[in-house]
Amino acid sequence: EIVLTQSPGTLSLSPGERATLSCRASQSVSTSYLAWYQQKPGQAPRLLIYHASSRATGIPDRFSGSGSGTDFTLTISRLEPEDFAVYYCQQYGSSAMYTFGQGTNLEIK
Amino acid sequence: EVHLVESGGGLVQPGGSLRLSCAASGFTFSTYWMHWVRQSPGKGLVWVSRINSDGSTLYADFVKGRFTISRDNAKNTLNLQMDSLRAEDTAVYYCAKGASYHGMDVWGQGTTVTVSS
Repeated sequence: EIVLTQSPGTLSLSPGERATLSCRASQSVSTSYLAWYQQKPGQAPRLLIYHASSRATGIPDRFSGSGSGTDFTLTISRLEPEDFAVYYCQQYGSSAMYTFGQGTNLEIK
Repeated sequence: EVHLVESGGGLVQPGGSLRLSCAASGFTFSTYWMHWVRQSPGKGLVWVSRINSDGSTLYADFVKGRFTISRDNAKNTLNLQMDSLRAEDTAVYYCAKGASYHGMDVWGQGTTVTVSS
């Protein structure tokens, strides 16, 4: 089973700053099967990025994804107040299983 | 608009059973893979099960043999039959619509399952 490790666990930034979130896999992941989600307190997750770098419908262009192999990054270019949330990466692997990272809590500094 | 609404959660004793449902609307339900994902209190997301459009199923190891995923395409409904429930199954259970890239592009609001005596 592929394990996804996200870092940092908590990221404290101010609105207007740039956020860089990391997702590292224990084995190589196909970029086709790497996604990112945002979850706000009391809400369901929302798809942000799929195929490692494609924005989902309605997602602002300040969100971008990159990476390949075992290292993936979600970048938020200029934080808006509504961006403070928990972010998860997710992959689908050769064992036909789905795994999520443990999440990064992006909080207001 | 695509919409998923879960129901069926509640309080159940250890060893008991519960059946969750997810009503889908706004898309051709029968043609999409569907998932259940859970989130224990204060924890992260954990994938539970998937059912393909042809009815074939896949389960996480920790629910294999205890949970059964099914779908009723005539009623646009996804189900999760949960048997032999344990305290560690306590979680919010989300249904999610599968996407071609093996992600989940639409999620329901979740239903809460509490396993406790």
